[in-house]
Amino acid sequence: RKEVEQDPGPFNVPEGATVAFNCTYSNSASQSFFWYRQDCRKEPKLLMSVYSSGNEDGRFTAQLNRASQYISLLIRDSKLSDSATYLCVVTPTSGTYKYIFGTGTRLKVLA
Amino acid sequence: SQTIHQWPATLVQPVGSPLSLECTVEGTSNPNLYWYRQAAGRGLQLLFYSVGIGQISSEVPQNLSASRPQDRQFILSSKKLLRSDSGFYLCAWSLGRDQPQHFGDGTRLSIL
Repeated sequence: RKEVEQDPGPFNVPEGATVAFNCTYSNSASQSFFWYRQDCRKEPKLLMSVYSSGNEDGRFTAQLNRASQYISLLIRDSKLSDSATYLCVVTPTSGTYKYIFGTGTRLKVLA
Repeated sequence: SQTIHQWPATLVQPVGSPLSLECTVEGTSNPNLYWYRQAAGRGLQLLFYSVGIGQISSEVPQNLSASRPQDRQFILSSKKLLRSDSGFYLCAWSLGRDQPQHFGDGTRLSIL
């Protein structure tokens, strides 16, 4: 089983739609969680950190479910500019400074 | 605020030539530093990371090496490039495991 798993997509949604991605992780002791977006041929950029209580940033909402070992990203009122690949990132607990990246979920917002 | 500089943006090298990619971070001290490679259409592969000057952890055995001669400088090198070394190379920094990583603009390396 991969340490971090994401549905590769693509998710094709119309403008204005709400779309949600999930990301599962295998290490129950994982410590920190993040969502990044990566545009084609560009570097990943931090979208938001994911906190235990859930957090929201404008149209974006992130949730953490430790019991089921997944994090989610909800995008409301999708824009064309939201088209990108969304990467889930998990940091394990002690003993390593590595970040575990999912392979990403591709989103296409259609006009 | 912190910034990360990575250069060059693109590089075309012949097989068997040497490589040196440099990354510097400004506006912070003692960052954790990382080198990743991303093949076309694939996920990020961690190559090296460093938690201090002269401390390098290697994740994938290959013909690449890394060095950290100064606190905020991270260098990726190779003595002889292979065709399979082609890819998008990304440098990143963070201030701890509970903090997010921040990436440089990346170097797109093509091996002819």
